[in-house]
Amino acid sequence: GQQLNQSPQSMFIQEGEDVSMNCTSSSIFNTWLWYKQDPGEGPVLLIALYKAGELTSNGRLTAQFGITRKDSFLNISASIPSDVGIYFCAGWPGSNYKLTFGKGTLLTVNP
Amino acid sequence: GAVVSQHPSWVICKSGTSVKIECRSLDFQATTMFWYRQFPKQSLMLMATSNEGSKATYEQGVEKDKFLINHASLTLSTLTVTSAHPEDSSFYICSARAETSGWGATDTQYFGPGTRLTVL
Repeated sequence: GQQLNQSPQSMFIQEGEDVSMNCTSSSIFNTWLWYKQDPGEGPVLLIALYKAGELTSNGRLTAQFGITRKDSFLNISASIPSDVGIYFCAGWPGSNYKLTFGKGTLLTVNP
Repeated sequence: GAVVSQHPSWVICKSGTSVKIECRSLDFQATTMFWYRQFPKQSLMLMATSNEGSKATYEQGVEKDKFLINHASLTLSTLTVTSAHPEDSSFYICSARAETSGWGATDTQYFGPGTRLTVL
């Protein structure tokens, strides 16, 4: 089945720094979704991408749907302590409704 | 964004009892909902796909007689863990599929806040 490689696995940064994480797939996806999960909570949708090459922003977050449709990245600018959490990418092949998830990136922001 | 609720948020039960978890889409209709299980420090593991008005589709290795799913309406799906045992203790999360049609159609999943199940 499809696999998503998400990197890095974890990041430790200082407040104010920019962050970048990415996901690559072994196959093509029609939709890329980025979620953030806080401890003990469900994932919250950050950005949804539906077209190859699409670049979408949500406040300090920017995500892009790769041209090859096999990758996506998420950038966070000027990080703040509340950005701490686990970020998941998820891809949708379009042939069914099941999402494939990356293993997550644990972000720690030092004040 | 669309809102999905789950109830209860946490539950503690004795071994051998059954527990029902509700998942509701509050401001949209969802013909398809999903149930996930998440272990500490791991990603989400899909258990089953819940389809309104029809039987759920279970992932390989998930016991359908143990994890009963009912999707009786376009806004409610329930997961019942029957005869729960300590190994069933986990974080259960549901999601609801939200789709728009026409030009620029989109397809997204929104997640509930999760239910922490502890079986003693």
